[in-house]
Amino acid sequence: DAGITQSPRHKVTETGTPVTLRCHQTENHRYMYWYRQDPGHGLRLIHYSYGVKDTDKGEVSDGYSVSRSKTEDFLLTLESATSSQTSVYFCVSRFSGEETQYFGPGTRLLVL
Amino acid sequence: QKEVEQNSGPLSVPEGAIASLNCTYSDRGSQSFFWYRQYSGKSPELIMFIYSNGDKEDGRFTAQLNKASQYVSLLIRDSQPSDSATYLCAVNIRGRDDKIIFGKGTRLHILP
Repeated sequence: DAGITQSPRHKVTETGTPVTLRCHQTENHRYMYWYRQDPGHGLRLIHYSYGVKDTDKGEVSDGYSVSRSKTEDFLLTLESATSSQTSVYFCVSRFSGEETQYFGPGTRLLVL
Repeated sequence: QKEVEQNSGPLSVPEGAIASLNCTYSDRGSQSFFWYRQYSGKSPELIMFIYSNGDKEDGRFTAQLNKASQYVSLLIRDSQPSDSATYLCAVNIRGRDDKIIFGKGTRLHILP
């Protein structure tokens, strides 16, 4: 399996606090994605990146921001967490020109 | 809004039978199509992908693509209890905007 890690793996936070999730990959993958997965909604794309400092919004980007200052790291920030952002967050990465995508283990976030 | 549609299930199939999972997509520009399997509490794992019209076989799995009908399916032969999982269809719309859109998944239950 590709070396993709996410941290933290579990987090409980309070409404209104900022939260940052980290995705780290050791495969030199160009493309990285953040998804959230919720019952009844499936996997929805939040933000994605096609290179360092090159990011774009997905379908559910409101309330989230991202940064990619190094190839290996893709950070997702919830600027002011809300209960609707309680979810499982997955990071995905892949090489440019290749179809195989690699999922991280996921982060379970609970916003109280 | 580009969409990927799947029947949520559950789809119940007797052990040893063929399970047939279906997916439709809305964007005719879609280039690549993926099937993932996800066990409860785990990350999705890629089963196979397909680009061209027709069938692609890998062991007990066969992916079928019909671009004219905007339809992709996954057949699982000789279904085993270990195949019980949620199956996600995903579509890659090529271009600089190289996003991957997922369906909500179909729950498959193999009856022993």
